Amino acid sequence: DGGITQSPKYLFRKEGQNVTLSCEQNLNHDAMYWYRQDPGQGLRLIYYSQIVNDFQKGDIAEGYSVSREKKESFPLTVTSAQKNPTAFYLCASTIRATSTGELFFGEGSRLTVL
Amino acid sequence: AQKITQTQPGMFVQEKEAVTLDCTYDTSDPSYGLFWYKQPSSGEMIFLIYQGSYDQQNATEGRYSLNFQKARKSANLVISASQLGDSAMYFCAMREVNTGFQKLVFGTGTRLLVSP
Repeated sequence: DGGITQSPKYLFRKEGQNVTLSCEQNLNHDAMYWYRQDPGQGLRLIYYSQIVNDFQKGDIAEGYSVSREKKESFPLTVTSAQKNPTAFYLCASTIRATSTGELFFGEGSRLTVL
Repeated sequence: AQKITQTQPGMFVQEKEAVTLDCTYDTSDPSYGLFWYKQPSSGEMIFLIYQGSYDQQNATEGRYSLNFQKARKSANLVISASQLGDSAMYFCAMREVNTGFQKLVFGTGTRLLVSP
């Protein structure tokens, strides 16, 4: 079945460590996104990519980095510079960045900093 | 800047009854789209329904309908004949067409609890 796979589902990290969240899609979508969700808040955009080898910062990009070397993959690295990284992270995709259709989401990765 | 407001942190409804989840939005862009997503406790975001700003009729998808009142800038989700499986968080989101890419701005969500 086509969809978006995020891994790991749960991740624990010590302060000062970088961690990478995986996002893979087999929908043949051009555009991919990373959102962060905190309790009591909506989703906030971290980074997005409209096409391979291209990505732009979203609203809360500080302390995060991404890459888009393959169409199917859009990994997110949470760096030690991110002051409050404990959150639920959602990866999404859509057929094209300018399409009017809905975003498809993965099941999310929950990161806890110990 | 565009903004989505969901004023109901939580809603309760009995099984088989209808419920309305409120959403108001603010944008200066004449062309926009409104989405509703459901987030069960498992975490994934499930697309429910979409309404374009130029759509003449309210969107419907099965038991879901969107009560779109453009002048009031509201896009309320109506769930008819609630089921226990409808218990979840519900998010309203808006996309401005002229941003050049599909950036969705989300509200803070409403938690719906359906009781037997």
